[in-house]
Amino acid sequence: GQQVMQIPQYQHVQEGEDFTTYCNSSTTLSNIQWYKQRPGGHPVFLIQLVKSGEVKKQKRLTFQFGEAKKNSSLHITATQTTDVGTYFCAGGNTNAGKSTFGDGTTLTVKP
Amino acid sequence: DTGVSQDPRHKITKRGQNVTFRCDPISEHNRLYWYRQTLGQGPEFLTYFQNEAQLEKSRLLSDRFSAERPKGSFSTLEIQRTEQGDSAMYLCASSLLGGGYEQYFGPGTRLTVT
Repeated sequence: GQQVMQIPQYQHVQEGEDFTTYCNSSTTLSNIQWYKQRPGGHPVFLIQLVKSGEVKKQKRLTFQFGEAKKNSSLHITATQTTDVGTYFCAGGNTNAGKSTFGDGTTLTVKP
Repeated sequence: DTGVSQDPRHKITKRGQNVTFRCDPISEHNRLYWYRQTLGQGPEFLTYFQNEAQLEKSRLLSDRFSAERPKGSFSTLEIQRTEQGDSAMYLCASSLLGGGYEQYFGPGTRLTVT
């Protein structure tokens, strides 16, 4: 079945440093979603990407969908303490209503 | 603004007992998903409904798990003869068919099997 892998598993940064997490799928995706889960919270939707090579920005966050639609990345510029949490990607297939989640990258930010 | 709600938020049960969880999705959402999440893992898909029809169920899910969405609104997830390995956070999410792929999650029900 479809597998979605994320690296790194953990990332510790100093406040102000940049952060990137990578997501790779074993199969071609129709779409990818990104979610953020704060400690003790539930996943909160951030963005979805559907087009090959698509790039979307949300303030300091930049999301990219690979040309082959099998990988994606999330980049945060100048991290802040409010960015702490676990970032999940979830890959979707047009023929299936479900999405397959990666195991996330947990970001900690040292002030 | 009424988001996705789940009840109960916490459940402690003894091994072998049956438990039932409820999920109320965002009112206009016609898709509803159940996931299980353990520490350090991403949400693991269990099943999903489109309106009242259960369209897919994970092959990893044993016959002890069953879910219903009788009127296409709220849903229940029942686990029979609970085992310690069932201890996890059970998350419900909803989405709108044709509204994009984003899912809106509830706060989850944390199950502890002793």
